[in-house]
Amino acid sequence: EVKLVESGGGLVQPGRSLKLSCAASGFSFNDYWMGWVRQAPGKGLEWIGEINQDSSTINYTPSLKDKFTISRDNAQNTLYLQMSKLGSEDTAIYYCAFNWFAYWGQGTLVTVSS
Amino acid sequence: DVVLTQTPPTLSATIGQSVSISCRSSQSLLDSDGDTYLNWLLQRPGQSPQLLIYSVSNLESGVPNRFSGSGSETDFTLKISGVEAEDLGVYYCMQATHAPLTFGSGTKLEIK
Repeated sequence: EVKLVESGGGLVQPGRSLKLSCAASGFSFNDYWMGWVRQAPGKGLEWIGEINQDSSTINYTPSLKDKFTISRDNAQNTLYLQMSKLGSEDTAIYYCAFNWFAYWGQGTLVTVSS
Repeated sequence: DVVLTQTPPTLSATIGQSVSISCRSSQSLLDSDGDTYLNWLLQRPGQSPQLLIYSVSNLESGVPNRFSGSGSETDFTLKISGVEAEDLGVYYCMQATHAPLTFGSGTKLEIK
């Protein structure tokens, strides 16, 4: 069974950093592009970015490129999202997804507040 | 960035009724490789999004065939032929032809 499990969310103060993880199982992780999408409370979906199989290509939505860093560890079947300089506008559920969004994790909630 | 405009923003339907959702793109979504990377997703209340349709009209595995997609270039439609109670939620179109990938603002389907 394909499974994506995000973790690392929680309450964080403005200006701080946070690193999210997405543990993958049930498929050949190193065969797929992986991506992150977020959803602010009561709002729509926002694509954050994606990473290819060997990490040689990483694409971001321009507005987040300087704040967020996507990486992966194929040996650990894990995708990461490093977030820095967090602000209230980054409060959202963060999802990992792959295979043209055929598979999604359950999401992890990040709340940025003092 | 490509802007996807979905209409209507809210839709109310009875069980068995057929409904359509429109997604209009600010640019043609026909890629140079000949494919059109327009997908439809459904997000049920409290759940992660679910892929329904990919590349305009291809039904994702396991998705009921009452869902269908059509369109080309800049105009796309998702049709539900005979709404069922489990279809309630927010429908999103998304495009991956042009970077960055973008989503529509969503259409909320309510069941009367």
